Amino acid sequence: EVHLLESGGGFVQPGGSLRLSCAASGFTFSSYAMNWARQAPGKGLEWVSAISDNSVYTYYADSVKGRFTITRDNSKNTLYLQMDSLRAEDTAVYYCGKVSHLVDYWGQGTLVSVSS
Amino acid sequence: QPVVTQSSSASASLGSSVKLTCTLSSGHSSYIIAWHQQQPGKAPRYLMKVEGSGNYNKGGGVPDRFSGSSSGADRYLTISNLQSEDEADYYCETSDSSTRVFGGGTKLTVL
Repeated sequence: EVHLLESGGGFVQPGGSLRLSCAASGFTFSSYAMNWARQAPGKGLEWVSAISDNSVYTYYADSVKGRFTITRDNSKNTLYLQMDSLRAEDTAVYYCGKVSHLVDYWGQGTLVSVSS
Repeated sequence: QPVVTQSSSASASLGSSVKLTCTLSSGHSSYIIAWHQQQPGKAPRYLMKVEGSGNYNKGGGVPDRFSGSSSGADRYLTISNLQSEDEADYYCETSDSSTRVFGGGTKLTVL
C-alpha cells in the first residue's frame, strides 16, 4: 500500500526558512516523479513544485521560483522541499504527491504558518 | 501552459446523479486530466484519470458509482446514487512538460 508522510511544518517568521520532508513507502520510489502542492486556508489546491524520478528535472510555480528548492534522496525514499525567504502568503497545508503523469497518491499534509 | 476551469459549486439530491465538468483551455483539448476528491478537513484523494477519448482509469477503492467521460475540451466526473459522504470539493488537474495546474474546485452539496 502506498503511503506518503509529510513532516517539518510549523510556525516561522517572514523571511525565515523551513525544510519539509515526505517519507514514501509501498512503491518503488526511484521510479516515479514526485510533487508538492499546497492549500492556503479556505482556498483551493495550488501546485508548487515537481521533480523527476532521477532528479534531473525540477519544476516550480512562478510564486515560489527562486525561493523554494525541491530535492529527493532515492536511497532514503524521501522527498524534500527547502523553503527560504518565506512570506505570509506561503501559509498553507503542504501535500506531497506521487506522480504517474498526474498525482495518483497524496500524503496527509503538513501545516506551514508564516507570521510575525 | 494549460488552464482548467471548473464551476464553483454544484448540488444534487441524495440518491440522484450529478455530472461535474472540467474544461481545458484552447490548444489543450487533448490533455489527460485527473479528478481528486477532498472531503471536509481531509487530504485530497485521487479518484481517476480521464483521457480525451473518454477512457478513464480509477484509483484503488473508488466506488463503481464514480465514472468519467469526455467531450471535446470537457472532462466529466459523474457520481451516481449520491451518498452523504460524496459531499466534498472536487478538483481537476492537468499538466504539460514543465508545469501542472489545478482547477479552482467544485464544491458539491448533497441535499
